[in-house]
Amino acid sequence: EAQVTQNPRYLITVTGKKLTVTCSQNMNHEYMSWYRQDPGLGLRQIYYSMNVEVTDKGDVPEGYKVSRKEKRNFPLILESPSPNQTSLYFCASSLRRGGETQYFGPGTRLLVL
Amino acid sequence: AQSVTQPDIHITVSEGASLELRCNYSYGATPYLFWYVQSPGQGLQLLLKYFSGDTLVQGIKGFEAEFKRSQSSFNLRKPSVHWSDAAEYFCAVGEANAGKSTFGDGTTLTVKP
Repeated sequence: EAQVTQNPRYLITVTGKKLTVTCSQNMNHEYMSWYRQDPGLGLRQIYYSMNVEVTDKGDVPEGYKVSRKEKRNFPLILESPSPNQTSLYFCASSLRRGGETQYFGPGTRLLVL
Repeated sequence: AQSVTQPDIHITVSEGASLELRCNYSYGATPYLFWYVQSPGQGLQLLLKYFSGDTLVQGIKGFEAEFKRSQSSFNLRKPSVHWSDAAEYFCAVGEANAGKSTFGDGTTLTVKP
């Protein structure tokens, strides 16, 4: 089944404790992206990747890191999480670029205390 | 910079009534436009998209949208709403050959019996 998977689905952590949210897709998509969703703010793009080893900032990259060492994986790293990063995070992928249909993962709900 | 505005935060319609959700965008060239739906606790699913050609596009679940360049709008419509259409709807614009994607803040649809 074609899908985007994220792990973990739910995470509670404390300020400053490094964490990684994994994202994997099995559709051989070149493009992957991370979003955060907050009430009343829609989805805001954090980072995206056009292909392996090619990443770029979205609208809200501060406090996040990403890497794209393999085509299928695009982990999101919070090196020192803060309470304002409490949010619902979505990973998405598309065949080639941001102008194409994106397929979304189920989301990761993060609470930073 | 591209932007998307969904003027209606919340809309309530009766089951069987028609629906129109508004979306206005700002983009320098011909945009790639999308409507996504998010059911409670779920990820986002594509309803329909516009790249070029016929300005009236058909999507899944009986939805359609019309691209009006002169009004910078891409409104979503459905002639008869079903209770299962209750969800949050997002309009989005993507860059043609790059990675930025911008989503609106979303419109929550409530369907009255």
